[in-house]
Amino acid sequence: QVPLVESGGGVVQPGRSLRLSCVASGASGFIFSASGMHWVRQAPGKDLEWVAFIWSDGSSEYYADSVKGRFTISRDNSKNTVHLQMNSLRAEDTALYYCARDKGVSYLDHWGQGTLVTVSS
Amino acid sequence: EIVLTQSPATLSLSPGERATLSCRASQTVSRSLAWYQQKPGQAPRLLIYDASNRATGIPARFSGSGSGTDFTLTISRLEPEDFAVYYCQQRTNWPLTFGGGTKVEIK
Repeated sequence: QVPLVESGGGVVQPGRSLRLSCVASGASGFIFSASGMHWVRQAPGKDLEWVAFIWSDGSSEYYADSVKGRFTISRDNSKNTVHLQMNSLRAEDTALYYCARDKGVSYLDHWGQGTLVTVSS
Repeated sequence: EIVLTQSPATLSLSPGERATLSCRASQTVSRSLAWYQQKPGQAPRLLIYDASNRATGIPARFSGSGSGTDFTLTISRLEPEDFAVYYCQQRTNWPLTFGGGTKVEIK
Protein backbone atom coordinates (compact mmCIF):
# COMPACT_ATOMS: atom_id res chain seq x y z
CA GLN A 1 0.00 0.00 0.00
CA VAL A 2 1.01 3.59 -0.57
CA PRO A 3 -0.31 5.76 2.24
CA LEU A 4 -1.54 9.07 0.94
CA VAL A 5 -2.85 11.54 3.47
CA GLU A 6 -4.80 14.61 2.42
CA SER A 7 -5.31 17.70 4.54
CA GLY A 8 -6.44 21.29 4.25
CA GLY A 9 -10.15 20.84 3.78
CA GLY A 10 -12.73 22.86 5.64
CA VAL A 11 -15.62 25.27 5.34
CA VAL A 12 -15.00 28.32 3.18
CA GLN A 13 -17.16 31.11 1.80
CA PRO A 14 -17.85 31.42 -1.91
CA GLY A 15 -15.14 33.36 -3.70
CA ARG A 16 -12.47 32.52 -1.14
CA SER A 17 -9.43 30.25 -1.48
CA LEU A 18 -8.22 27.03 0.04
CA ARG A 19 -5.06 24.97 -0.37
CA LEU A 20 -5.16 21.21 -0.11
CA SER A 21 -2.11 19.06 0.53
CA CYS A 22 -1.40 15.38 0.10
CA VAL A 23 1.62 13.74 1.66
CA ALA A 24 2.89 10.40 0.42
CA SER A 25 4.64 7.94 2.64
CA GLY A 26 7.94 6.57 1.48
CA ALA A 27 6.90 3.09 2.56
CA SER A 28 6.70 0.07 0.28
CA GLY A 29 9.36 1.40 -2.03
CA PHE A 30 7.13 4.17 -3.34
CA ILE A 31 9.27 6.79 -5.04
CA PHE A 32 7.09 9.88 -5.01
CA SER A 33 9.28 11.80 -7.42
CA ALA A 34 8.74 9.09 -10.04
CA SER A 35 4.93 9.20 -9.91
CA GLY A 36 2.39 11.47 -11.49
CA MET A 37 -0.33 12.56 -9.08
CA HIS A 38 -4.02 13.31 -9.46
CA TRP A 39 -6.77 15.07 -7.57
CA VAL A 40 -10.27 13.62 -7.90
CA ARG A 41 -13.37 14.89 -6.15
CA GLN A 42 -16.73 13.48 -5.19
CA ALA A 43 -19.64 15.67 -4.21
CA PRO A 44 -21.79 14.21 -1.40
CA GLY A 45 -23.72 11.25 -2.78
CA LYS A 46 -22.46 11.89 -6.28
CA ASP A 47 -20.05 10.40 -8.79
CA LEU A 48 -16.31 10.73 -9.15
CA GLU A 49 -14.97 13.75 -11.00
CA TRP A 50 -11.34 13.97 -12.06
CA VAL A 51 -9.91 17.41 -11.22
CA ALA A 52 -6.22 17.72 -12.03
CA PHE A 53 -2.97 15.88 -12.79
CA ILE A 54 0.70 16.76 -12.54
CA TRP A 55 3.64 14.95 -14.06
CA SER A 56 6.23 13.36 -11.79
CA ASP A 57 8.69 16.18 -12.36
CA GLY A 58 6.05 18.89 -12.28
CA SER A 59 6.72 19.82 -15.88
CA SER A 60 3.13 19.59 -17.06
CA GLU A 61 -0.38 19.77 -15.67
CA TYR A 62 -3.89 19.00 -16.85
CA TYR A 63 -7.20 20.25 -15.49
CA ALA A 64 -10.89 19.58 -15.77
CA ASP A 65 -12.72 22.37 -17.59
CA SER A 66 -14.80 23.00 -14.47
CA VAL A 67 -11.72 24.13 -12.51
CA LYS A 68 -9.40 25.45 -15.21
CA GLY A 69 -8.19 28.94 -14.39
CA ARG A 70 -9.27 28.65 -10.74
CA PHE A 71 -7.34 25.63 -9.44
CA THR A 72 -3.60 24.98 -9.62
CA ILE A 73 -1.87 21.70 -8.91
CA SER A 74 1.75 21.73 -7.79
CA ARG A 75 4.20 19.45 -6.06
CA ASP A 76 7.28 19.47 -3.86
CA ASN A 77 9.21 16.27 -4.44
CA SER A 78 11.59 17.07 -1.58
CA LYS A 79 8.62 16.78 0.78
CA ASN A 80 6.68 14.03 -1.02
CA THR A 81 3.77 16.45 -1.25
CA VAL A 82 1.27 17.50 -3.89
CA HIS A 83 -0.95 20.55 -3.48
CA LEU A 84 -4.17 21.82 -4.94
CA GLN A 85 -4.60 25.59 -4.73
CA MET A 86 -8.27 26.38 -5.11
CA ASN A 87 -9.29 29.98 -5.81
CA SER A 88 -12.64 31.62 -6.49
CA LEU A 89 -14.44 28.73 -4.86
CA ARG A 90 -18.06 28.05 -5.73
CA ALA A 91 -20.81 26.07 -4.02
CA GLU A 92 -20.45 23.40 -6.69
CA ASP A 93 -16.85 22.79 -5.59
CA THR A 94 -18.17 21.27 -2.38
CA ALA A 95 -16.85 17.71 -2.33
CA LEU A 96 -14.53 15.17 -0.81
CA TYR A 97 -11.18 15.68 -2.50
CA TYR A 98 -8.96 12.65 -3.01
CA CYS A 99 -5.37 12.58 -4.11
CA ALA A 100 -4.31 9.52 -6.03
CA ARG A 101 -1.15 8.13 -7.51
CA ASP A 102 -0.87 7.59 -11.23
CA LYS A 103 -0.02 4.01 -12.11
CA GLY A 104 2.03 5.32 -14.98
CA VAL A 105 -0.56 5.51 -17.74
CA SER A 106 -3.28 7.67 -16.20
CA TYR A 107 -4.88 4.96 -14.15
CA LEU A 108 -5.15 5.71 -10.44
CA ASP A 109 -3.81 2.84 -8.37
CA HIS A 110 -3.52 4.28 -4.86
CA TRP A 111 -5.88 6.74 -3.22
CA GLY A 112 -5.95 8.69 -0.01
CA GLN A 113 -9.02 8.85 2.20
CA GLY A 114 -9.92 12.35 1.13
CA THR A 115 -10.37 15.77 2.68
CA LEU A 116 -13.77 17.47 2.72
CA VAL A 117 -14.24 20.94 1.24
CA THR A 118 -17.50 22.74 1.90
CA VAL A 119 -18.17 26.03 0.14
CA SER A 120 -20.98 27.85 1.85
CA SER A 121 -21.87 31.29 3.05
CA GLU B 1 -14.64 15.24 -23.59
CA ILE B 2 -15.36 11.53 -23.71
CA VAL B 3 -18.59 10.64 -21.93
CA LEU B 4 -18.86 7.23 -20.28
CA THR B 5 -22.34 5.82 -19.74
CA GLN B 6 -22.73 2.96 -17.31
CA SER B 7 -25.65 0.57 -17.14
CA PRO B 8 -27.61 -0.44 -15.30
CA ALA B 9 -27.62 2.21 -12.62
CA THR B 10 -28.44 -0.43 -10.03
CA LEU B 11 -28.04 -4.19 -10.14
CA SER B 12 -29.85 -6.24 -7.50
CA LEU B 13 -28.34 -9.68 -7.10
CA SER B 14 -27.79 -12.38 -4.51
CA PRO B 15 -24.43 -13.64 -3.26
CA GLY B 16 -23.12 -16.33 -5.57
CA GLU B 17 -24.77 -14.84 -8.64
CA ARG B 18 -22.96 -13.45 -11.66
CA ALA B 19 -22.81 -9.69 -12.17
CA THR B 20 -22.41 -8.07 -15.57
CA LEU B 21 -21.80 -4.32 -15.68
CA SER B 22 -21.61 -2.24 -18.84
CA CYS B 23 -19.70 0.91 -19.76
CA ARG B 24 -20.17 2.64 -23.10
CA ALA B 25 -17.93 5.44 -24.38
CA SER B 26 -19.10 8.33 -26.56
CA GLN B 27 -16.10 7.74 -28.83
CA THR B 28 -13.53 5.03 -29.13
CA VAL B 29 -11.08 4.66 -26.25
CA SER B 30 -9.36 1.60 -27.75
CA ARG B 31 -8.66 -0.52 -24.66
CA SER B 32 -7.75 2.40 -22.41
CA LEU B 33 -10.38 1.80 -19.79
CA ALA B 34 -10.29 1.00 -16.10
CA TRP B 35 -12.78 -0.19 -13.52
CA TYR B 36 -12.88 0.87 -9.87
CA GLN B 37 -14.81 -0.37 -6.87
CA GLN B 38 -15.98 1.99 -4.16
CA LYS B 39 -17.54 0.93 -0.87
CA PRO B 40 -19.40 3.37 1.42
CA GLY B 41 -17.01 5.64 3.30
CA GLN B 42 -14.00 4.38 1.38
CA ALA B 43 -11.84 5.60 -1.45
CA PRO B 44 -12.12 3.92 -4.83
CA ARG B 45 -9.96 0.89 -5.54
CA LEU B 46 -8.51 0.04 -8.94
CA LEU B 47 -9.78 -3.33 -10.14
CA ILE B 48 -9.09 -3.55 -13.87
CA TYR B 49 -6.95 -1.49 -16.23
CA ASP B 50 -6.45 -1.58 -19.99
CA ALA B 51 -9.90 -3.15 -20.24
CA SER B 52 -8.93 -6.61 -19.03
CA ASN B 53 -5.86 -6.55 -16.76
CA ARG B 54 -6.49 -7.17 -13.09
CA ALA B 55 -4.71 -4.81 -10.73
CA THR B 56 -2.46 -6.14 -8.00
CA GLY B 57 -4.31 -8.24 -5.44
CA ILE B 58 -7.63 -8.32 -7.26
CA PRO B 59 -9.37 -11.72 -7.12
CA ALA B 60 -9.81 -13.72 -10.28
CA ARG B 61 -13.61 -13.54 -10.03
CA PHE B 62 -13.30 -10.00 -11.43
CA SER B 63 -12.78 -9.83 -15.17
CA GLY B 64 -12.99 -7.12 -17.79
CA SER B 65 -13.56 -7.24 -21.50
CA GLY B 66 -14.26 -5.02 -24.46
CA SER B 67 -12.61 -2.51 -26.74
CA GLY B 68 -13.52 0.56 -28.72
CA THR B 69 -16.69 1.90 -27.16
CA ASP B 70 -18.23 -1.06 -25.31
CA PHE B 71 -16.84 -2.60 -22.15
CA THR B 72 -17.98 -5.11 -19.57
CA LEU B 73 -16.98 -5.84 -16.00
CA THR B 74 -17.98 -9.32 -14.86
CA ILE B 75 -17.98 -10.63 -11.33
CA SER B 76 -18.31 -14.37 -11.74
CA ARG B 77 -19.73 -15.19 -8.31
CA LEU B 78 -20.63 -12.34 -6.00
CA GLU B 79 -19.10 -12.43 -2.55
CA PRO B 80 -20.63 -10.38 0.29
CA GLU B 81 -17.76 -7.89 0.08
CA ASP B 82 -18.44 -7.21 -3.61
CA PHE B 83 -21.61 -5.23 -3.00
CA ALA B 84 -20.46 -1.72 -3.83
CA VAL B 85 -20.48 0.94 -6.53
CA TYR B 86 -18.39 0.36 -9.65
CA TYR B 87 -17.04 3.09 -11.91
CA CYS B 88 -15.35 2.96 -15.29
CA GLN B 89 -12.70 5.52 -16.32
CA GLN B 90 -11.07 6.35 -19.64
CA ARG B 91 -7.55 7.59 -20.15
CA THR B 92 -7.52 8.07 -23.93
CA ASN B 93 -8.06 11.84 -23.84
CA TRP B 94 -7.76 14.65 -21.36
CA PRO B 95 -9.77 15.32 -19.33
CA LEU B 96 -9.91 11.90 -17.76
CA THR B 97 -13.53 10.98 -17.25
CA PHE B 98 -15.47 8.56 -15.08
CA GLY B 99 -18.79 6.93 -15.73
CA GLY B 100 -21.81 7.54 -13.55
CA GLY B 101 -21.39 4.29 -11.66
CA THR B 102 -23.33 1.06 -11.18
CA LYS B 103 -24.45 0.13 -7.72
CA VAL B 104 -24.43 -3.60 -7.06
CA GLU B 105 -26.81 -4.21 -4.19
CA ILE B 106 -27.98 -7.25 -2.31
CA LYS B 107 -31.29 -8.57 -3.55
